[in-house]
Amino acid sequence: GAGVSQSPSNKVTEKGKDVELRCDPISGHTALYWYRQSLGQGLEFLIYFQGNSAPDKSGLPSDRFSAERTGGSVSTLTIQRTQQEDSAVYLCASSLGQLIQYTFGSGTRLTVV
Amino acid sequence: AQTVTQSQPEMSVQEAETVTLSCTYDTSENNYYLFWYKQPPSRQMILVIRQEAYKQQNATENRFSVNFQKAAKSFSLKISDSQLGDTAMYFCAMNYGGSQGNLIFGKGTKLSVKP
Repeated sequence: GAGVSQSPSNKVTEKGKDVELRCDPISGHTALYWYRQSLGQGLEFLIYFQGNSAPDKSGLPSDRFSAERTGGSVSTLTIQRTQQEDSAVYLCASSLGQLIQYTFGSGTRLTVV
Repeated sequence: AQTVTQSQPEMSVQEAETVTLSCTYDTSENNYYLFWYKQPPSRQMILVIRQEAYKQQNATENRFSVNFQKAAKSFSLKISDSQLGDTAMYFCAMNYGGSQGNLIFGKGTKLSVKP
């Protein structure tokens, strides 16, 4: 597509439920990143996919968080047993590779009530 | 450890005036890239300007320019002839091409352009 697409745009969920956030990167971009932006904060790195390499999961805050990227394209970020502190904007970005311009999506605003 | 620091949580400027946003960073790498991103209420991060560390010349994009001081590890953004549409959060970021390949962000500066 022309840009990075994320869905849903907004998600409200009850504490303890599982949620899935989707990212559709720009076609041909081999690198895909997930970031979390809490209120009034900068972006916190979560996970990084590069081509067929094993993802770098070093930024995931707990084992309730996981992500996969199918066929080198679409990625899904899953948060299990959501907690109120998971409330944030989750941003996805893609690029042709490292040190190359990133394109961000508009994010998913997750609210856990 | 790589860090990016923005010391101005909020700033304001009158329309048509010039404003400078500060950013300092810390890295032991020689090859890295620095960025300024704009985040309007739409949430999408928009690249404003980019600087390669090996280039001495300061990057310029229309009304936006940077003052890159490599020895001081400083990377400030100057916005000339400020416009109402420049109102947004501005984030300074660094990418050193490490194993993660990810961007490291500062906490941002909220810029308000007043009519």
